[in-house]
Amino acid sequence: EVQLVESGGGLVQPGRSLRLSCTTSGFTFGDYAMSWVRQAPGKGLEWVSFIRSKTYGGTREYAASVKGRFTISRDDSKRIAYLQMNSLKTEDTSVYYCSRVGSGWSHDYWGQGTLVTVSS
Amino acid sequence: QSALTQPASVSGSPGQSITISCTGTSSDVGSYNLVSWYRQHPGKAPKLMIYEVTKRPSGVSNRFSGSKSGNTASLTISGLQAEDEADYYCCSYAGSSTVVFGGGTKLTVL
Repeated sequence: EVQLVESGGGLVQPGRSLRLSCTTSGFTFGDYAMSWVRQAPGKGLEWVSFIRSKTYGGTREYAASVKGRFTISRDDSKRIAYLQMNSLKTEDTSVYYCSRVGSGWSHDYWGQGTLVTVSS
Repeated sequence: QSALTQPASVSGSPGQSITISCTGTSSDVGSYNLVSWYRQHPGKAPKLMIYEVTKRPSGVSNRFSGSKSGNTASLTISGLQAEDEADYYCCSYAGSSTVVFGGGTKLTVL
């Protein structure tokens, strides 16, 4: 059974940093691209970042709203994807979901999400 | 890139069919057959319902179907059931290894 479990969320002050983790099981992690998607309270889904598998160069992409502040990475030996979030802003407050990227750039499996609250 | 445009809400009675539209541009929906749809119940993670415009993942009911014409994709749910009441989101590949989501549609089963 495919499982994705996010951790690392919490309350953080503006300007500070936080690192999210997405621990996976039930599939060959190294074969898949991974993504982070967020959802602000009462709002819709927003794609945040994406990292390819090492087979495809492990390249990374970011939404304009987080580029230069967030960094996605992966540890294939541990089956974990990370999202390092720096210079956090109040508008980054959201539930952050980790997802596996499947056929046709779809997000075929999702974690349960972890809440990040940026507030002073 | 700007979010794809979805109606804020749609409704239907049990047994009826409804369609949710998702309008993008020639840079996303119009250029790629890479539209996916997600269902999200309150407080839960999204679930993939349709990918590559028309394909259903294993385990998803054949009451769900997708289509596309030009810059607009659509999700049709036939034989509405109470469990279908949820928020629905479309998503499209937008080039340069990025994707864009729609603003979401709240489906109410009357």
